[in-house]
Amino acid sequence: KQEVTQIPAALSVPEGENLVLNCSFTDSAIYNLQWFRQDPGKGLTSLLLIQSSQREQTSGRLNASLDKSSGRSTLYIAASQPGDSATYLCAANYGGSQGNLIFGKGTKLSVKP
Amino acid sequence: DAGITQSPRHKVTETGTPVTLRCHQTENHRYMYWYRQDPGHGLRLIHYSYGVKDTDKGEVSDGYSVSRSKTEDFLLTLESATSSQTSVYFCAISDSSYSYNEQFFGPGTRLTVL
Repeated sequence: KQEVTQIPAALSVPEGENLVLNCSFTDSAIYNLQWFRQDPGKGLTSLLLIQSSQREQTSGRLNASLDKSSGRSTLYIAASQPGDSATYLCAANYGGSQGNLIFGKGTKLSVKP
Repeated sequence: DAGITQSPRHKVTETGTPVTLRCHQTENHRYMYWYRQDPGHGLRLIHYSYGVKDTDKGEVSDGYSVSRSKTEDFLLTLESATSSQTSVYFCAISDSSYSYNEQFFGPGTRLTVL
């Protein structure tokens, strides 16, 4: 069964710290991996999409990496800010006719001022 | 932000009543999805559509049906709501199912079944 795991479930850091969120997937035959941010009571905001042929993708202070052989992806957040506090979700796309995403359960990030 | 709206945003209903949730997009994307989000389970796919009148089941489809009569609208129906269907429901859209499948999500509908 294709599964996606995110560890830790929660993380608290002081403002300004660089941090890494982890995502692992059991089946390496992914088409792409997508990172989302979810604020309490809100929908999901797409942050980064990494194609299976890519090693990393960057957007501002965010950098996502992908290592298919080890079944891992990381989301690096530089110089964290209180506004980064949210739940971060990763999701693997295994393609096929449906192309639905297999989600991890998320890492809840709290950045303290 | 992708043009996706969901209605209603909140609904409280009683066990045994039918409920229909609506997802509307203005992006003309081919693929539309319904997920539910529950504590401890994360997001799981209920049904999806790959075109007008083309739909199929996802991981947790029991008790749900869908319809798509227009590109822009995807309806999710609970024929007879049960307490286990209390959840937050998200609609998503994409213009591809393969490598370039970036999905965009709506704001969600919080459904409570009493």
